[in-house]
Amino acid sequence: NAGVTQTPKFRVLKTGQSMTLLCAQDMNHEYMYWYRQDPGMGLRLIHYSVGEGTTAKGEVPDGYNVSRLKKQNFLLGLESAAPSQTSVYFCASSYVGSNQPQHFGDGTRLSIL
Amino acid sequence: AQSVTQLDSQVPVFEEAPVELRCNYSSSVSVYLFWYVQYPNQGLQLLLKYLSGSTLVESINGFEAEFNKSQTSFHLRKPSVHISDTAEYFCAVCPMDSSYKLIFGSGTRLLVRP
Repeated sequence: NAGVTQTPKFRVLKTGQSMTLLCAQDMNHEYMYWYRQDPGMGLRLIHYSVGEGTTAKGEVPDGYNVSRLKKQNFLLGLESAAPSQTSVYFCASSYVGSNQPQHFGDGTRLSIL
Repeated sequence: AQSVTQLDSQVPVFEEAPVELRCNYSSSVSVYLFWYVQYPNQGLQLLLKYLSGSTLVESINGFEAEFNKSQTSFHLRKPSVHISDTAEYFCAVCPMDSSYKLIFGSGTRLLVRP
């Protein structure tokens, strides 16, 4: 049972380039999330999805887009990367309900030069 | 709105010593409370959670946390730490009226020394 899998694990981009981060979960979770982790700031929610075909903005959505075409996949896109987007990105998934814990992937380390 | 404060960014401690990692929260609605642990180069893993009932909750590896509603705190404790407990610990809350919104503290790095 793989849980939550993120690809790639590392990536270096130049300012202005675009890329897509892929998240896949095999737990049949309804909810999926994208966070960014920056030193001293904990995790901040970028976008989330409550089901296939639906997405919503989180706390820091600017500069990112997402899609959830299949229940098990949640994609995070950067259309024009900026140095401020250098961060570690985590995907998570959970069952429905505020008492349900979230399950996290191992993260993607992204550097924008 | 909700917020979570972890008062210590780093806690150094010697092996086999006790430790307490502090967490305070602010919320206008009732919340569920969680502690997550992050080992180096890994994602976050659930350590323990408080949903209802007994205010003292325990994890399988010897950690415990106590929910104190009057002080709006959820401090994490372990009576005797091991080198392998070295990690970053995050306190988080989820409002009961929201099914998705998990608010994290800034984290506390526990450094266990031999």
